[in-house]
Amino acid sequence: NAGVTQTPKFQVLKTGQSMTLQCAQDMNHEYMSWYRQDPGMGLRLIHYSVGAGITDQGEVPNGYNVSRSTTEDFPLRLLSAAPSQTSVYFCASRTGPDEKLFFGSGTQLSVL
Amino acid sequence: RKEVEQDPGPFNVPEGATVAFNCTYSNSASQSFFWYRQDCRKEPKLLMSVYSSGNEDGRFTAQLNRASQYISLLIRDSKLSDSATYLCVVSNTGGFKTIFGAGTRLFVKA
Repeated sequence: NAGVTQTPKFQVLKTGQSMTLQCAQDMNHEYMSWYRQDPGMGLRLIHYSVGAGITDQGEVPNGYNVSRSTTEDFPLRLLSAAPSQTSVYFCASRTGPDEKLFFGSGTQLSVL
Repeated sequence: RKEVEQDPGPFNVPEGATVAFNCTYSNSASQSFFWYRQDCRKEPKLLMSVYSSGNEDGRFTAQLNRASQYISLLIRDSKLSDSATYLCVVSNTGGFKTIFGAGTRLFVKA
């Protein structure tokens, strides 16, 4: 049972490039979410999904797109990377609102 | 104002000490409350849920005060291995919008 798998672990982009951070879970969790973590800011919610075909914005959604075509996958797309998007990104999933979040191991993204 | 606020610390305590962390939240409709632990920028892991009646797990005690909108975590008999960042977490909007505090850093010294 792999849990939540994020790829890549590290990525360096140039300003203006686009890329997709992948997140997959094999626990049949309906709820999935993306966070970014910056020093002194804690984890901030970017987007979340409560099931296939349903997504919503979190605290800091600008510059990011998501889609949820399957229960397992919840990719995060950066359309035009900016230095302000340099951060550590975590994907998480859970079964329901009162249950614990299972996190992926994170993606360290640097935008030059 | 942030939805969830914590004292960033750091808290520097000797082994065996008792330490308490507080957290306040702004959304009175918040429904679920948790403490997570994070080590050295690794992924956060659930420490404990927080219930209205208060709850205890070994050396850890969590309290919730809905009227004042704050949550607390008490760690008794601190161990070196307790050194970490403690994250206060609140869920609202039916429990699906989960917001993290910035975390409180704890250093336990020998």
